[in-house]
Amino acid sequence: GAVVSQHPSWVICKSGTSVKIECRSLDFQATTMFWYRQFPKQSLMLMATSNEGSKATYEQGVEKDKFLINHASLTLSTLTVTSAHPEDSSFYICSARDPRSTDTQYFGPGTRLTVL
Amino acid sequence: GEDVEQSLFLSVREGDSSVINCTYTDSSSTYLYWYKQEPGAGLQLLTYIFSNMDMKQDQRLTVLLNKKDKHLSLRIADTQTGDSAIYFCAETPFTGGYQKVTFGTGTKLQVIP
Repeated sequence: GAVVSQHPSWVICKSGTSVKIECRSLDFQATTMFWYRQFPKQSLMLMATSNEGSKATYEQGVEKDKFLINHASLTLSTLTVTSAHPEDSSFYICSARDPRSTDTQYFGPGTRLTVL
Repeated sequence: GEDVEQSLFLSVREGDSSVINCTYTDSSSTYLYWYKQEPGAGLQLLTYIFSNMDMKQDQRLTVLLNKKDKHLSLRIADTQTGDSAIYFCAETPFTGGYQKVTFGTGTKLQVIP
């Protein structure tokens, strides 16, 4: 299947700092990527849909200024958590839609963010 | 809105079959997926089924879809300890350019040696 990578795997930062997470589709071009957040022992929550070359579409309740998304190329989307606070600590997972494969989404390995 | 329900926990003995169930409410669901998440890792797509199919088999995995009852199941034959993970059911309607996927709450499968 298609491969999606995320970097970093795990990040620990101080409260008030910003953290950037990268999501890359390694062997296909993804015009659409998705960002999810997973709380402990819970399911995934879609945060936003990232479209290459245009503004991201955010789900209701997700702060656009807090979670900045940039999809600058067909293989890269970034999520920046600005002025992070402990409540932002979570597992962030991206996925990319593979247009070659019945639009199936392939998921990255996730990034664990811990804000002290 | 759309809702996808799963039981939270399932425990089976190694070598037995596991059956993980899922129900959904969106009648326009077109694609239904099963994902596996191992501890600390991202999701891994196991298999998917189109809504016009009743069954799909892939090695040890069998997916059954009852569209009338909006019920999806994943059967794992000869369950191994490496199958211990959380399994997510997910569905999406085909909406062309924008595909929103709704996930279930996940079922934690524990395989006892």
